[in-house]
Amino acid sequence: AQKVTQAQTEISVVEKEDVTLDCVYETRDTTYYLFWYKQPPSGELVFLIRRNSFDEQNEISGRYSWNFQKSTSSFNFTITASQVVDSAVYFCALGDTGGFKTIFGAGTRLFVKA
Amino acid sequence: EPEVTQTPSHQVTQMGQEVILRCVPISNHLYFYWYRQILGQKVEFLVSFYNNEISEKSEIFDDQFSVERPDGSNFTLKIRSTKLEDSAMYFCASSSWSGRPAGELFFGEGSRLTVL
Repeated sequence: AQKVTQAQTEISVVEKEDVTLDCVYETRDTTYYLFWYKQPPSGELVFLIRRNSFDEQNEISGRYSWNFQKSTSSFNFTITASQVVDSAVYFCALGDTGGFKTIFGAGTRLFVKA
Repeated sequence: EPEVTQTPSHQVTQMGQEVILRCVPISNHLYFYWYRQILGQKVEFLVSFYNNEISEKSEIFDDQFSVERPDGSNFTLKIRSTKLEDSAMYFCASSSWSGRPAGELFFGEGSRLTVL
């Protein structure tokens, strides 16, 4: 069975702090895809990143970085120098290679205080 | 920029009534999905639809639910006899995949369903 666990329900930081959001997944598939989505207070779901299971290279995009470790089934997300606009719920997701099903973790609510 | 559009944005209905939620996916996308999110909770997969048929569905998607692509542009979710626990935000999504093995989901803004 596939499962995504985001153990951190809520995180609160002060602006300019770095913060890491944890994601652990379970799957029997040998090939799969991992995603992060952001849900700001306005409610829409916004795609942030996709990672293939066979590509463990870490990725950096501006203040965002992702650490994929297949050995520990983790796909963690770090925001450097957080800003108030980063306040949102962040979802980690696991997708099959057929494109038919992507499941989401429970989400981590991030509060960034000025 | 192309986007997924959903109507209505909010619907209030009485328990036992039928509801149809409508979605217009991005025009060149081939894969369509419905997800739901009960207030403040996780985003739950309901169903995926490809090549005019359901490709995957979750245990939530029971006989009370159905999906349809009645024409070349709309994708609908029908709930035959709503229950109180169907109250949630329903998100439609589409994906292109376009030869790649995986693609991001483009989500609509959601339809909030309130069952009284």
